Amino acid sequence: RKEVEQDPGPFNVPEGATVAFNCTYSNSASQSFFWYRQDCRKEPKLLMSVYSSGNEDGRFTAQLNRASQYISLLIRDSKLSDSATYLCVVNPNTNAGKSTFGDGTTLTVKP
Amino acid sequence: DTEVTQTPKHLVMGMTNKKSLKCEQHMGHRAMYWYKQKAKKPPELMFVYSYEKLSINESVPSRFSPECPNSSLLNLHLHALQPEDSALYLCASSPTVLAGGTDTQYFGPGTRLTVL
Repeated sequence: RKEVEQDPGPFNVPEGATVAFNCTYSNSASQSFFWYRQDCRKEPKLLMSVYSSGNEDGRFTAQLNRASQYISLLIRDSKLSDSATYLCVVNPNTNAGKSTFGDGTTLTVKP
Repeated sequence: DTEVTQTPKHLVMGMTNKKSLKCEQHMGHRAMYWYKQKAKKPPELMFVYSYEKLSINESVPSRFSPECPNSSLLNLHLHALQPEDSALYLCASSPTVLAGGTDTQYFGPGTRLTVL
């Protein structure tokens, strides 16, 4: 089993749709969690850190469920510009400096 | 300003060449990273520097040689590479490398390397 697993995708949704991605992690001692977006042939860019209390940034909401060991990302009112690959990143309690990346979920928002 | 810069943007080299990739950040971050990313795969960690000292080497072949001249700069020296080393090489930085995990990492735009 991979340390971090994401929905395989691809997700193809119309503009205005709501879409949710899940990411599960195997190390229960994991400390911090992030969502990054990566556009084709570009670098990953931080989208959100994920906190136990949940956090929201405009149309984006991230949740952490430590009991079930998953994090989620909800995108409301999808825009064409949301089309990208979304990477789930989990930082363990050990091996300081070594983040674990999920394989990414590809989202395409269509007109 | 969360900016990490990398040069060059693109690099084509032969298997006998020696080249270097450069990365710079002026955010006062004390941890810097090199990643390798192949198409449709997530970034794969190569090296971590913490306070200018190498703290993680993910069993990277010796044809890749990292160097951290100061807290703002990170180099990756390349020698005798193979065609399978062609990839996007990403540099990242974070404020620190905490004992229990890492701070948020900020990535540079990457160097797209092609080895002929």
